[in-house]
Amino acid sequence: RKEVEQDPGPFNVPEGATVAFNCTYSNSASQSFFWYRQDCRKEPKLLMSVYSSGNEDGRFTAQLNRASQYISLLIRDSKLSDSATYLCVVNKMDSNYQLIWGAGTKLIIKP
Amino acid sequence: NAGVTQTPKFRVLKTGQSMTLLCAQDMNHEYMYWYRQDPGMGLRLIHYSVGEGTTAKGEVPDGYNVSRLKKQNFLLGLESAAPSQTSVYFCASSYLVGDTRSYEQYFGPGTRLTVT
Repeated sequence: RKEVEQDPGPFNVPEGATVAFNCTYSNSASQSFFWYRQDCRKEPKLLMSVYSSGNEDGRFTAQLNRASQYISLLIRDSKLSDSATYLCVVNKMDSNYQLIWGAGTKLIIKP
Repeated sequence: NAGVTQTPKFRVLKTGQSMTLLCAQDMNHEYMYWYRQDPGMGLRLIHYSVGEGTTAKGEVPDGYNVSRLKKQNFLLGLESAAPSQTSVYFCASSYLVGDTRSYEQYFGPGTRLTVT
């Protein structure tokens, strides 16, 4: 089992719709969780950290489910500019400063 | 602040040639990392550094060497390039976020390397 697993997609979603995707992780002791966004041929950029209580930033909501070992990302009122690959990231076992990266979920927002 | 910068942006090497990729950060971060990214795969850690003068191996270190002589710079060397090292290389730096025990990473724009 991969340490971090994501559905590669692509998710084709009409503009204005709500889209959600999950990511599962294997290390039950993980403490740090992130969503990064990566545009084509660009570097990953931090979208949001995921806290135990969940967190929201504008149209984006991230949730953590420790019991089932997954994190989720919800995007409301999707924009064309949301088209990107979303990377799920979890800290490595026994190391908070080393991160394990999912391969990403590709999202395409259509007009 | 420039954040994290990488040079060069593109490079084509012939098998057996050597090169050095330079990463620089102006955020005073202690931790720095070199990753490679290949199609359909997550970022894979090559080497990392937890401070000036210290380096450690990551997941895929073979064929690469690194040095961190100054806190702000992290160099990645390929001594004898192979076609399997064709990839996009990203440098990142990180810091501890308050008391969260969480290390957010910030990336340079990447270097696209092709080895023929």
